[in-house]
Amino acid sequence: DAGVIQSPRHEVTEMGQEVTLRCKPISGHDYLFWYRQTMMRGLELLIYFNNNVPIDDSGMPEDRFSAKMPNASFSTLKIQPSEPRDSAVYFCASSALLGLAGGAGDYEQYFGPGTRLTVT
Amino acid sequence: AQSVAQPEDQVNVAEGNPLTVKCTYSVSGNPYLFWYVQYPNRGLQFLLKYITGDNLVKGSYGFEAEFNKSQTSFHLKKPSALVSDSALYFCAVRDVPGNTPLVFGKGTRLSVIA
Repeated sequence: DAGVIQSPRHEVTEMGQEVTLRCKPISGHDYLFWYRQTMMRGLELLIYFNNNVPIDDSGMPEDRFSAKMPNASFSTLKIQPSEPRDSAVYFCASSALLGLAGGAGDYEQYFGPGTRLTVT
Repeated sequence: AQSVAQPEDQVNVAEGNPLTVKCTYSVSGNPYLFWYVQYPNRGLQFLLKYITGDNLVKGSYGFEAEFNKSQTSFHLKKPSALVSDSALYFCAVRDVPGNTPLVFGKGTRLSVIA
């Protein structure tokens, strides 16, 4: 398996522009997570999906951020309009039940390489 | 709500020496603890986890971690550090079973000096 795929790997844009980040989870995984990583705040959960349905979006910073998962193999995170404070590395992760017990330990998250966003 | 603290932003160790990266946690229920590693320009990679059972957990690349319930700690250890172990290490926790999101610490940068 190719692992979690994210595109683009780097994005530089000007303030006010729309930015769309893309993620392809590992085939067969039914959970997808979007995280943001900054020096100041570390790794923050933005939103996560189960079977393409958003479960918790309380980490989305404001209305400028939106995320969709139209099917099991694709998700987008959109920022419109972008601001310099949105500059960060955005990670997508996916997971699925690995064992039969169904306990918390079976759900390891697999991370993509991230998208480094710079808003000038 | 659960939380994780990694008290050291940076740990420096000489190659061949043992290393420890510290993590303490706070949960209302039973802790499910994880360690991830991030190499430069890469995503996080799973190292090991504690769910139940033996307090000493062995993981990838020779790493191990010891769960200490009384001290609410889950320190990452390796008997002999390699220069290639230099990376950013994250401790994470969840306190309910299932696939709820992990709460991550801020990370500890490990530098192994030759």
